[in-house]
Amino acid sequence: EIVLTQSPGTLSLSPGERATLSCRASQTIGRSYLAWYQQIPGQAPRLLIYGASTRATGISDRFSGSGSGTDFTLTINRLEPEDSAVYYCQQYSVSPITFGQGTRLEI
Amino acid sequence: QVQLAESGGGVVQPGGSLRLSCATSGFTFSRSAMHWVRQAPGKGLEWVAVISYDGSDKYYGDSVRGRFTISRDNSRNTLYLEMSSLRTEDTAVYYCVRARENNSPVDFLCEIWGQGTMVTASS
Repeated sequence: EIVLTQSPGTLSLSPGERATLSCRASQTIGRSYLAWYQQIPGQAPRLLIYGASTRATGISDRFSGSGSGTDFTLTINRLEPEDSAVYYCQQYSVSPITFGQGTRLEI
Repeated sequence: QVQLAESGGGVVQPGGSLRLSCATSGFTFSRSAMHWVRQAPGKGLEWVAVISYDGSDKYYGDSVRGRFTISRDNSRNTLYLEMSSLRTEDTAVYYCVRARENNSPVDFLCEIWGQGTMVTASS
């Protein structure tokens, strides 16, 4: 299975700053089938980005994704307090589908 | 508006069985693959299973294969997860998740999530 490793584990930033979250895969993810999810405490996860760089419906353009192969990045510009959450990457290229362990973002 | 409503969670003894249901509305259920994803208390996300839009293809995570069965009833717009031989490590919130509508028969992307139902395997 493809193992996803996210870094850092926790990120503490101030409102207005930029967050850069990393996701590294143990092998190449075909067709850049890499997604990012946001989970606010007490809520279900929400899809932010798929295909490594395509924003899901209704997602602010402050969120952007990049990368290919084994290295992917989620960037959040102009941080707001409501961005405090855990962010997960996921590969959906092959079964079993796998998630990273998550990055906790504190604003 | 897409709605996914899980039910059937509860407390069960290790070795026991439980069936989860997910009632859906607001989209064409028969044109969407569906997933179950779980999250143990205080832990990350773990994918459990996916079923194609017509129920002909199913894939499972390694930790549940042979013990859990995913199924669907397109006439009732409902997804199911039959869980047997439950272990304490199966304790988690179980989310029903819709893949992209009108995409491939088995779409592995988890697009829209329900609110989840809690399953506790404990003596």
